[in-house]
Amino acid sequence: RKEVEQDPGPFNVPEGATVAFNCTYSNSASQSFFWYRQDCRKEPKLLMSVYSSGNEDGRFTAQLNRASQYISLLIRDSKLSDSATYLCVVSPTGGFKTIFGAGTRLFVKA
Amino acid sequence: DAGVTQSPTHLIKTRGQQVTLRCSPISGHKSVSWYQQVLGQGPQFIFQYYEKEERGRGNFPDRFSARQFPNYSSELNVNALLLGDSALYLCASSVDFGLPHTGELFFGEGSRLTVL
Repeated sequence: RKEVEQDPGPFNVPEGATVAFNCTYSNSASQSFFWYRQDCRKEPKLLMSVYSSGNEDGRFTAQLNRASQYISLLIRDSKLSDSATYLCVVSPTGGFKTIFGAGTRLFVKA
Repeated sequence: DAGVTQSPTHLIKTRGQQVTLRCSPISGHKSVSWYQQVLGQGPQFIFQYYEKEERGRGNFPDRFSARQFPNYSSELNVNALLLGDSALYLCASSVDFGLPHTGELFFGEGSRLTVL
């Protein structure tokens, strides 16, 4: 079983749609959780951290479910510019050996 | 301020050769991590260095080695190259080591290695 698993997609959605991605992790000792965004042939960049209480940043909402060991990302009112690969990232206590999922590809079409 | 810089950006090697990739972190960042990203996959953790010491190692063979210099720059070395080593090698820097509160990694644009 992979340490971090994501649905690879692709998700093809129209502009304005709401789309959700889930990610599961296997190490119950994981302490830190993040979503990164990677544009085609570019480096990954932090989208948002994921807190136990859930957090929101504009159109993006992240949730953490420790009991079921999954995190989610919700994107509302999708924009063309949201087209990218979204990487689920998990880090154990101490912060090293950060584990990336394989990514979920999102295509937003006009 | 300059971001994370990596060199070379592209290189082609043949099987059995050796390669050295270089990374300069953001000024003030003391931690450097290396990742391998194969097409269609997420980055795979190779090493993390902090204050010139190895703090973490991923599941890569001993052909992979790295070091961090006093100025916090880093090199990744890969010996006896295999076709399967063809990938994008990403370097990421962070302010500190073991910060679960932010965890932000700042990535360079990567070194794209092709092994023929």
